[in-house]
Amino acid sequence: GAVVSQHPSRVICKSGTSVKIECRSLDFQATTMFWYRQFPKKSLMLMATSNEGSKATYEQGVEKDKFLINHASLTLSTLTVTSAHPEDSSFYICSARKAGATYEQYFGPGTRLTVT
Amino acid sequence: KNQVEQSPQSLIILEGKNCTLQCNYTVSPFSNLRWYKQDTGRGPVSLTIMTFSENTKSNGRYTATLDADTKQSSLHITASQLSDSASYICVVSAEGGTGRRALTFGSGTRLQVQP
Repeated sequence: GAVVSQHPSRVICKSGTSVKIECRSLDFQATTMFWYRQFPKKSLMLMATSNEGSKATYEQGVEKDKFLINHASLTLSTLTVTSAHPEDSSFYICSARKAGATYEQYFGPGTRLTVT
Repeated sequence: KNQVEQSPQSLIILEGKNCTLQCNYTVSPFSNLRWYKQDTGRGPVSLTIMTFSENTKSNGRYTATLDADTKQSSLHITASQLSDSASYICVVSAEGGTGRRALTFGSGTRLQVQP
């Protein structure tokens, strides 16, 4: 199997605070993890790509200082939304690619972030 | 520019009926095409993956077809069930795409199966 988990599944935070979302590959090593954002009734939008042990690569228009990504191990990547704003409220999904794999990605269940 | 277009945008069918979802793409060079099912508030789950040489692949009641010449794919759902209600996303991967721009996502078809 190839299971990816995310924690928390839902989080509510106040404006100005920071929140961390974890993405874990449970039964495989993931050299690359991807972070997506999804608005209601829209498809996934790639935010950034993280490779284990190196800095994340952000898509155009994504603020790297606001969305901090850390991929410290082969099974864990974290996304920290800093100084959260109501506009950051969204569904955040991660995916992971197995070490040695060329293209298959396994998606996590997503995290619903609500900023009040 | 790589693009994936899906139709219809939404669809309502009665339980037990069949339906077909469409996906047209302009991704080059083509590597593979996948169909995902995404339940509301959940992450996408892979249904099928097809490479250039495959023109049909089944997964239970789901059958995907691929015409690489016309750059079209379809997902056929047979004997629909209430649990099939979800968004179905077509995703095309570019060859050599090990980097961050490997996948192009369609906007999805929202299917609602009614009793």
